[in-house]
Amino acid sequence: EIVLTQSPATLSLSPGERATLSCRASQSISNYLAWYQQKAGQAPRLLIYDASDRATGIPARFSGSGSGTDFTLTISSLEPEDFAVYYCQQRSNWPSFGGGTKVEIK
Amino acid sequence: QVQLQQSGLGLVKPSQTLSLTCVISGDSVSSNSAAWNWIRHSPSRGLEWLGRTYYRSKWYNDYAVSVQSRITINPDTSKNQFSLQLNSVTPEDTAVYYCARDPGEMGLFDYWGQGTLVTVSS
Repeated sequence: EIVLTQSPATLSLSPGERATLSCRASQSISNYLAWYQQKAGQAPRLLIYDASDRATGIPARFSGSGSGTDFTLTISSLEPEDFAVYYCQQRSNWPSFGGGTKVEIK
Repeated sequence: QVQLQQSGLGLVKPSQTLSLTCVISGDSVSSNSAAWNWIRHSPSRGLEWLGRTYYRSKWYNDYAVSVQSRITINPDTSKNQFSLQLNSVTPEDTAVYYCARDPGEMGLFDYWGQGTLVTVSS
């Protein structure tokens, strides 16, 4: 089983600031990594797939990078609607998810 | 626009069977490209993929090792839906359960149901 570790657990930032979220895989997963955003009471929403490709309708302020075992999700300038929990997910093997990073308002 | 609408009981007694259904609109359960998944989310286990069903000239199922002895996912082409049955539940199975579409059998999930909180308690 491939384990994904996300850091930090919580990120406290202000609107307009840059957010950098990390996801590390227990073994190489090439670029088979996706990022999801989840708000309270809602299902996860696909943001990024294959490490750096934005899903349909996702704003350009969301970007992903990385390959192998280390990946990053960057939100260039936080909008009020971006405060949420973010999960990474690998599809190199049977799907598995990271534990999440909560982006909260400072 | 694809929509997934879940239904099913929110309270199940220990040792009984959890049953949920996901009705698909805007796509087909018999699609030759998509796969139809169940995923759950709990504080103790996080987000956990449970399994999928898909059609490629015949029906296939794949299940997570953690639940493979207890899980069944079935398509229903007459109603364009698919279902989840999880047998012999324990309080550890308490979670929010989601159905989700994988558009190309790629291990990605682009459309999700609204989620159903299932509590296992006597």
